Amino acid sequence: DSGVTQTPKHLITATGQRVTLRCSPRSGDLSVYWYQQSLDQGLQFLIQYYNGEERAKGNILERFSAQQFPDLHSELNLSSLELGDSALYFCASSVDPMRGKVYNEQFFGPGTRLTVL
Amino acid sequence: EDKVVQSPLSLVVHEGDTVTLNCSYEVTNFRSLLWYKQEKKAPTFLFMLTSSGIEKKSGRLSSILDKKELFSILNITATQTGDSAVYLCVVSGNTPLVFGKGTRLSVIA
Repeated sequence: DSGVTQTPKHLITATGQRVTLRCSPRSGDLSVYWYQQSLDQGLQFLIQYYNGEERAKGNILERFSAQQFPDLHSELNLSSLELGDSALYFCASSVDPMRGKVYNEQFFGPGTRLTVL
Repeated sequence: EDKVVQSPLSLVVHEGDTVTLNCSYEVTNFRSLLWYKQEKKAPTFLFMLTSSGIEKKSGRLSSILDKKELFSILNITATQTGDSAVYLCVVSGNTPLVFGKGTRLSVIA
């Protein structure tokens, strides 16, 4: 158990809908990362937050957005869902986001499996 | 475009064998390379490498980075069935956190 929690575990929804995925980082970790893992694309970095502020962006679609709250939990919002958005979404956290812009060890949550029908 | 290529994509070995997994990269302004192990669930951290030629070791696993030739290898000696997993290589540079597709290792008893 990494100490990172994600809810829900599974989510099934229809195309065009909007969903929110939630992540609570390990105690003491200030940085949260979101990833998408699909069979054809592998694991892809979406976005990083550090202490409430956006720190780095990866391949995140405009239909997706995220935020980190004062209690450090984070939410990933996915809207206008398409079939291709079906994937496993991971959240990870780390103590120090970038020491000299070098990424350190991250602890991954169990993931939320999203199925869009 | 920054990219990370892992080889082989898949590997099947017998218990006790030694394996070498490869990761080559092309990234702008390289900062670090990380290895993760992913079994059925979330990835777990193995190593972080920033300097060439310095071997990192943890039990039967070891890894080294060559920044001149732009690659890293992950070695696993005396493999066990518990080593069966997908091994992911991740590189950070100007583009944060570029993942390879992974190498799927299957260890047969």
